[in-house]
Amino acid sequence: KAGVTQTPRYLIKTRGQQVTLSCSPISGHRSVSWYQQTPGQGLQFLFEYFSETQRNKGNFPGRFSGRQFSNSRSEMNVSTLELGDSALYLCASSVTDRAAGGYTFGSGTRLTVV
Amino acid sequence: GQQVMQIPQYQHVQEGEDFTTYCNSSTTLSNIQWYKQRPGGHPVFLIQLVKSGEVKKQKRLTFQFGEAKKNSSLHITATQTTDVGTYFCAGDDPGSGGTYKYIFGTGTRLKVLA
Repeated sequence: KAGVTQTPRYLIKTRGQQVTLSCSPISGHRSVSWYQQTPGQGLQFLFEYFSETQRNKGNFPGRFSGRQFSNSRSEMNVSTLELGDSALYLCASSVTDRAAGGYTFGSGTRLTVV
Repeated sequence: GQQVMQIPQYQHVQEGEDFTTYCNSSTTLSNIQWYKQRPGGHPVFLIQLVKSGEVKKQKRLTFQFGEAKKNSSLHITATQTTDVGTYFCAGDDPGSGGTYKYIFGTGTRLKVLA
């Protein structure tokens, strides 16, 4: 079966712009979580959605937002981009919430802010 | 807030040597999961441990969950070059008020020298 699909794979944006990243989970997976990965900070939790509801949110500024659609696909948006937002953004899905049975990660979107 | 630290941060071993990474949480975890991320790749789920003192094996990999459910270890016997990557533990902190946070450890980067 198809894995977790993230689009786009690479993105270059200018400081101050906004960006939307997309994630399609594995069919049947209702939970989607987003993580930011940087060399210095490791994997930082952004938020988790389950059945279109945000279940939990990490310690990121309000410029970071997300949503989940009825088909479980999810998007995250970052407004007013800053240089420090350059990172690999990973989406992970699981059958139920709380990562029960483990996450399946997508290949990520590498965002570069210049 | 909750922290999940892993030691060592980096480990270089000769092929054939054993390797162990340790995961320590500042709070009690309801379960712990381990992931492997190859260079340039995304995290891949390896295993989940739920019970206090639980030990699971996957071929040359042995995973253990501490009795107090605040620490875990991953041991690889006779490392191979295919074991190269970063190993992350991740834990589900029950938290309070019905919320929870799924936190990834800081990771241990393993390099295997042929």
